[in-house]
Parts: sequence; C-alpha cells; structure tokens
Amino acid sequence: GDSVTQTEGQVTVSESKSLIINCTYSATSIGYPNLFWYVRYPGEGLQLLLKVITAGQKGSSRGFEATYNKEATSFHLQKASVQESDSAVYYCALSETNSAGNKLTFGIGTRVLVRP
Amino acid sequence: EAGVTQSPRYAVLQEGQAVSFWCDPISGHDTLYWYQQPRDQGPQLLVYFRDEAVIDNSQLPSDRFSAVRPKGTNSTLKIQSAKQGDTATYLCASSNRGRAETLYFGSGTRLTVL
Repeated sequence: GDSVTQTEGQVTVSESKSLIINCTYSATSIGYPNLFWYVRYPGEGLQLLLKVITAGQKGSSRGFEATYNKEATSFHLQKASVQESDSAVYYCALSETNSAGNKLTFGIGTRVLVRP
Repeated sequence: EAGVTQSPRYAVLQEGQAVSFWCDPISGHDTLYWYQQPRDQGPQLLVYFRDEAVIDNSQLPSDRFSAVRPKGTNSTLKIQSAKQGDTATYLCASSNRGRAETLYFGSGTRLTVL
C-alpha cells in the first residue's frame, strides 16, 4: 500500500533560521500521486498548508515551499526564515489520482518548535 | 462559513463499553471521512462516504466499528465494545468533489479506553 516517511520526532530551530522537514513517499498507483502538507497549530484543527498535484512543480504558502520530485519520490518542506508562529505539527500526505474522493495517507508528523 | 463540527470533545470509557461520535460536515460538502489518530502517529483513514454511500471501509474493524451517513449530511461513528487499543483521537473531515480537493478537519474527539 501507499506510505509516507517524514522526519520523526521534534525539530527545534531558532527564530529567523531555516527549516527543512524531509518527506519521501511510496505510491502503488500507476500514475503519480497528489502530494500535500497539512499543519496543526496549537489549539487548532488540522488544515492544509500546501499541495502539488503535478510532478516537478513547486507549491508555496506562508513562506513555506515544497517541490514534487518524482525521481527521488520526495516532497520536502522548507522555509528560509521561521517565526515563532510556525511552531506546529506538520504532516506530509499523499493521495492517489485515481481514487474517488481524496483519500489521504499521512506520515507520522513532525513537531516543530521555534525558539525566540 | 461554519467548519466541521464534532462531538463530544472527549470520552473516557472502560473496556467493553460502547461509544458514538458525531460529525456535522461543512454544508454542501459531499464527501465525509473518518480518521483515527493514535498518540504520536499520523491520522489513519477508517472509512469515507460520498453522499450516503460508503466508498471505502476496508480499514474499519467491522466487528466492533460501524459508520453511517444516512442522508448524506451528518455522520455517526460507533464503537460497540471498546478496547484499550482504540485509545486515539477520532477526526472527521469533509470535502467537495474535485481533483485533490482540500479536506477540512474538525477538532476531533479524544477517546481514552481504560
């Protein structure tokens, strides 16, 4: 079946420093999967951060970027300069392009703590 | 626009007890999902519906779990005889059909089975 592997545990980074969360995937469909980053801020529900459905394309939101690399089967999340408000849990996810609905397979989640 | 509403927020049971979770999706969304998220893991799909029809329930433990969405709007997820291994947060999400559509999640129900 489909699977997503991402940086585990907690990542602690100082404000204004760069951040990268690694994500690699394995999909069983013949075509290429859709790729997503979801985020849960403290006290809030899970919400979409960005998505990319075309291999080779880059998605961006709130200063974060992720590029769909089909050769490496990766979708790493990066931000050049983080803020305290970026402290959250980040989930990489995929869905198959031929599925009815958007059935997401999630990674384990990466907790990011930004220190002032 | 109201978001996805779930109730209750918390539930604490003894093993063998039954519990139901309720979800009210965003108005007009035709697809509804139930996910189980154990502590320190990612959400795992249990079942999802398009309108009132079940699209995929292959990950739903059918001997103890059931889910319905009778009018294609609200949904109920029920655990007949809870086990300690069911301790998790249960998330409901809804979406409108489209390619790679965004899922909108509720705040979840945190279940503890003692």
